[in-house]
Amino acid sequence: ETVLTQSPATLSLSPGERATLSCRASQSVITYLAWYQQKPGQAPRLLIYDGSNRATGIPARFSGSGSGTDFALTISSLEPEDFAVYYCQQRSNWPPTFGQGTRLEIK
Amino acid sequence: EVQLVESGGGLAQPGGSLRLSCAASGFTFSSNYMNWVRQAPGKGLEWVSLIYAGGASYYADSVKDRFTIFRDNSKNALFLQMNSLRPEDTAVYYCARGGDYHDSPGYFFEWGQGTLVTVSS
Repeated sequence: ETVLTQSPATLSLSPGERATLSCRASQSVITYLAWYQQKPGQAPRLLIYDGSNRATGIPARFSGSGSGTDFALTISSLEPEDFAVYYCQQRSNWPPTFGQGTRLEIK
Repeated sequence: EVQLVESGGGLAQPGGSLRLSCAASGFTFSSNYMNWVRQAPGKGLEWVSLIYAGGASYYADSVKDRFTIFRDNSKNALFLQMNSLRPEDTAVYYCARGGDYHDSPGYFFEWGQGTLVTVSS
């Protein structure tokens, strides 16, 4: 199965700063990659799919990029509600798999 | 508004069984892929099972031959029958909409709040 490795494990930033989270796949997933946000005690929420398409209702400060094996999620200017755990997920190679997550914490 | 509400979780003994349910509303259930995704306490996300609109089903290797996914399109309901439960099946189980049948499956567009399954003696 395709292994997704996210980095860093934890990212400490302040509100207003720019965040860049990385996801690397063990084999090409073309652009079939999604990003999810999960806050404590809540279900995950889809942010980005097909590498760069924002899901319904997702603010424009969230953007996705990449293709093949290297992908990034960028949050242009952090809001207080953005501090959470972020997961990447691929659907190119069956079964669908998730990365281990990046915790974005307030510095 | 899409709503997914899971139920049926609880405590089960190793080797026991549980059936999870997911009540769906706010979209055309019968034309959507549906999934179960789980999350062990303090851990990451793991896809468990997918069912197509027409009923074809797929499973993670970790649950194959023990879990069965099925749906009742007349009641907008999704189910997961879990047999031969193991302690490592302990997790929050989420029901997740996988998109319309015109698209390819594999993403999880909306999620329920989850139901906790604990397997312990």
